[in-house]
Amino acid sequence: SQQGEEDPQALSIQEGENATMNCSYKTSINNLQWYRQNSGRGLVHLILIRSNEREKHSGRLRVTLDTSKKSSSLLITASRAADTASYFCATDEKAGAQKLVFGQGTRLTINP
Amino acid sequence: EPEVTQTPSHQVTQMGQEVILRCVPISNHLYFYWYRQILGQKVEFLVSFYNNEISEKSEIFDDQFSVERPDGSNFTLKIRSTKLEDSAMYFCASIQDRGEQYFGPGTRLTVT
Repeated sequence: SQQGEEDPQALSIQEGENATMNCSYKTSINNLQWYRQNSGRGLVHLILIRSNEREKHSGRLRVTLDTSKKSSSLLITASRAADTASYFCATDEKAGAQKLVFGQGTRLTINP
Repeated sequence: EPEVTQTPSHQVTQMGQEVILRCVPISNHLYFYWYRQILGQKVEFLVSFYNNEISEKSEIFDDQFSVERPDGSNFTLKIRSTKLEDSAMYFCASIQDRGEQYFGPGTRLTVT
């Protein structure tokens, strides 16, 4: 399954700019979650958006969900060097024991 | 804030040996998961566990793998006879209900 594919695979921007990452999926979902992973470290939960929601905010993060296009985007505003990490979307499929299906991730680099 | 913990953080073992990876999920959570991430690849679902039994498992989770919740707090993943290709980060996760899935910091397993 190619569920939860992120785009772009890598993104490099200047500190202060906004970063946008996209995710596409293939099946019906209950929710979609975004995670951050610093190199070789654990997965930090960022935000969850349910299938009946279209947009959600948390601090500098904005997530959108378009179930008709089976896609989501994560926007990080006013990026900081500490935002440098890999970002993954993960879908909780309707058919399943709430397991998450992850994409390959977007490697985000914030240049000071 | 409650968190998922995992021990050990790094385990080195020889091919053919048995390993047990340990996790303590968040205390009021009901669903437990193991995932793995081979270096440079995406996070893959292994198994989900609910009400003291496996609710779903992936093709990766073959007869060499088993899970157990021996008491009210620990959740373990056992690999009976490790192979080189089992080298990966193993993440435990837990969830209360259909919501945010929280991950532990991971155990890096190196099979030599």
